Amino acid sequence: AQKVTQAQTEISVVEKEDVTLDCVYETRDTTYYLFWYKQPPSGELVFLIRRNSFDEQNEISGRYSWNFQKSTSSFNFTITASQVVDSAVYFCALSRVTGGGNKLTFGTGTQLKVEL
Amino acid sequence: SAVISQKPSRDICQRGTSLTIQCQVDSQVTMMFWYRQQPGQSLTLIATANQGSEATYESGFVIDKFPISRPNLTFSTLTVSNMSPEDSSIYLCSVRRPQETQYFGPGTRLLVL
Repeated sequence: AQKVTQAQTEISVVEKEDVTLDCVYETRDTTYYLFWYKQPPSGELVFLIRRNSFDEQNEISGRYSWNFQKSTSSFNFTITASQVVDSAVYFCALSRVTGGGNKLTFGTGTQLKVEL
Repeated sequence: SAVISQKPSRDICQRGTSLTIQCQVDSQVTMMFWYRQQPGQSLTLIATANQGSEATYESGFVIDKFPISRPNLTFSTLTVSNMSPEDSSIYLCSVRRPQETQYFGPGTRLLVL
């Protein structure tokens, strides 16, 4: 069975602070996909990144960066110089590469609040 | 990417009634999914809807309660039947092409009184 754990239920930071959202996953598959999604108060789910398990390079996109550590089964997400617009619920998710209907297994989400 | 629209965006319904949610995609996709997000909770897959076959339901979800149609490669509907307040959730349609990422519609916010 697959499982995603986001131990941080809620994080509050002051604008311009850096913040890291943790994600730990469990799977018996040797290849898999990992995702991060953002859900602002409006409710839509915004895709941020997809990472294949055989690609362990860290990725940076503007103020966002992701640290994939296969040895510790973690896929952490860092926002540098946070802004109020970053306030949202962030979900980490896992899916199989083949089989299982490619369904996503989501973590419970981390509510990020960025205050002035 | 894919542009996904859902109708209605929100609704308030009386218990015992049914609501059909529509999902339209701007291009053909093989796999469509329906998720439920109860208040303050994470997303849970209800079923996978592939064109030309019966929907595949996850444990805890049954066709009588959540009938799904998939008449073509760009459209699907999810019906929430005989609703109760426990069905109050956001219902999200999602699509995925092979070897690509999974995108979500804007969601339908349902409140059952």
